[in-house]
Amino acid sequence: SAVISQKPSRDICQRGTSLTIQCQVDSQVTMMFWYRQQPGQSLTLIATANQGSEATYESGFVIDKFPISRPNLTFSTLTVSNMSPEDSSIYLCSVEDRRRPLNTEAFFGQGTRLTVV
Amino acid sequence: AQSVAQPEDQVNVAEGNPLTVKCTYSVSGNPYLFWYVQYPNRGLQFLLKYITGDNLVKGSYGFEAEFNKSQTSFHLKKPSALVSDSALYFCAVRDMGNNDMRFGAGTRLTVKP
Repeated sequence: SAVISQKPSRDICQRGTSLTIQCQVDSQVTMMFWYRQQPGQSLTLIATANQGSEATYESGFVIDKFPISRPNLTFSTLTVSNMSPEDSSIYLCSVEDRRRPLNTEAFFGQGTRLTVV
Repeated sequence: AQSVAQPEDQVNVAEGNPLTVKCTYSVSGNPYLFWYVQYPNRGLQFLLKYITGDNLVKGSYGFEAEFNKSQTSFHLKKPSALVSDSALYFCAVRDMGNNDMRFGAGTRLTVKP
């Protein structure tokens, strides 16, 4: 299984500012994803981080608000831009390595708990 | 499009009793099915998966799940619950030809001593 380091683990931010969340994996993985989760609720996929190209965003999420980088196979960042209190949530990085057919499960970082005041 | 339903928001069991957390799914093709557990202030931890083969799959911490194609279900089970099993459990599904993993709403399991 992959070991994922996600930073920061939590932050309190002023509205109108931006926060960049980092996700570092200890091995090369083919797929990296970013999710949002309200505490105690289900996960909503924000986007798939594509290595060397623009991320693929889900309906309701746009690049201007959630720019994503993935410069290599082990690292990705998610920025939450121009934050408002509605952005307060837990943000989770997830990785999968699909180079082997039976490796279908995803592994998750510890999450970043964001509070916007 | 694939989807998954967890019909129970909350499941309460006594320590030592068997537990079941229910999950039903909908996919257009063959499903990949997963169970994850989330402890407070933590990310999701993978418990087990079904891809193909035996309908009964065994996973971490003594958990198992049974794939039932006719009922489109993948219920999570454990013969004897522990207080430390108390957590939020998520069922997830992916259609074999799809990138996206879809998660259920989650079921909060509480095991009382």
